[in-house]
Amino acid sequence: AQSVTQPDARVTVSEGASLQLRCKYSYSATPYLFWYVQYPRQGLQMLLKYYSGDPVVQGVNGFEAEFSKSDSSFHLRKASVHWSDSAVYFCAVRSRNMGYKLTFGTGTSLLVDP
Amino acid sequence: DPKIIQKPKYLVAVTGSEKILICEQYLGHNAMYWYRQSAKKPLEFMFSYSYQKLMDNQTASSRFQPQSSKKNHLDLQITALKPDDSATYFCASSQETGGAPQNTLYFGAGTRLSVL
Repeated sequence: AQSVTQPDARVTVSEGASLQLRCKYSYSATPYLFWYVQYPRQGLQMLLKYYSGDPVVQGVNGFEAEFSKSDSSFHLRKASVHWSDSAVYFCAVRSRNMGYKLTFGTGTSLLVDP
Repeated sequence: DPKIIQKPKYLVAVTGSEKILICEQYLGHNAMYWYRQSAKKPLEFMFSYSYQKLMDNQTASSRFQPQSSKKNHLDLQITALKPDDSATYFCASSQETGGAPQNTLYFGAGTRLSVL
């Protein structure tokens, strides 16, 4: 079955620390991978996406993610987090054999201690 | 200014009633979607439309009916409401060209529905 897994439901880090949020995918076709963020009581905003080329992609607000085909992963990273990064982060995937459907993982709730 | 407008922001309904959730997008996109977010299923795909035609329906219940009266509108009618329907419903849109999966979905702020 095709799926996206975010193994960490909650992550807490101190302000200024580095961050990695994990995402694993399981797809038979070539995956097109996204990270979205949801701030409290808001909709979702895309941070970055990967579909080809350099496996490290840069996003907004200093976020980056690295695609690994061998590991089936697309982990999100940030070198130094700010308290305003506290939010829920979703990994998501599309593929050609899924039509227009964007499938989300269960999300990781990030709390940054000031 | 928000480019995807969802109305209302909050909605309280009684069990058995019917409600319509409104979504309008001003991004010029040709595809629109509905997602549901609840404690049980964080972000659940419901429907996708392209050029006002249904492309994919992952909602088992016929109580949920999308309605597209205009290219930039995709409303969601929910009949015979149940407490389990309580969730935040998100509308999204994208510009789909040639079936390219890398196109970005843009989301509205959601309608929070509570069924009593």
